[in-house]
Amino acid sequence: DAKTTQPTSMDCAEGRAANLPCNHSTISGNEYVYWYRQIHSQGPQYIIHGLKNNETNEMASLIITEDRKSSTLILPHATLRDTAVYYCIVRVAESGGSNYKLTFGKGTLLTVNP
Amino acid sequence: DAMVIQNPRYQVTQFGKPVTLSCSQTLNHNVMYWYQQKSSQAPKLLFHYYDKDFNNEADTPDNFQSRRPNTSFCFLDIRSPGLGDAAMYLCATSRWTAGAEQYFGPGTRLTVT
Repeated sequence: DAKTTQPTSMDCAEGRAANLPCNHSTISGNEYVYWYRQIHSQGPQYIIHGLKNNETNEMASLIITEDRKSSTLILPHATLRDTAVYYCIVRVAESGGSNYKLTFGKGTLLTVNP
Repeated sequence: DAMVIQNPRYQVTQFGKPVTLSCSQTLNHNVMYWYQQKSSQAPKLLFHYYDKDFNNEADTPDNFQSRRPNTSFCFLDIRSPGLGDAAMYLCATSRWTAGAEQYFGPGTRLTVT
């Protein structure tokens, strides 16, 4: 799986949009970008994933650059409960081999401030 | 609500005393995973089951074993815990479809004294 690079930490004001960047310059054509988050003392939680088109769900939006070498997770109206470590993971979304694995990097600690 | 349940949430064991952590799921997923997360580190996969097929990660120590008696339950056995095994142990489940997301339990925090 391609490696990802994320900032160690970010701050965001409550009610504002939080934009979390991720670099994955060595991503392969069949690799998807996944985002998970882990609130303190809880298990990780799936947020969203995408291949090359922008994706949106009830939690967040995912913007992937045209060359697919980077992406941004957007939380449109951050709340205090969004304070967590956010993990960007690149993963092949095909059955078989080691494709089941989630290989977590260090992630970004997002702190939402009142 | 369908979910992944881990018991206990906190476990204290003595150095060298075997310990078992349990995980159950109501999602009817055919894949179950065990991750280890040490303090200030990212989760690291130990092994997973696809139905009853056990798949060990290459760098998982022999001290760690697992059992899956049925679809709903999975156990993590640590045969002789060392101080370095103190960590959060996370259970997760998923469907075996391409790119399926994993659903995590709240974890069991293991302390070794």
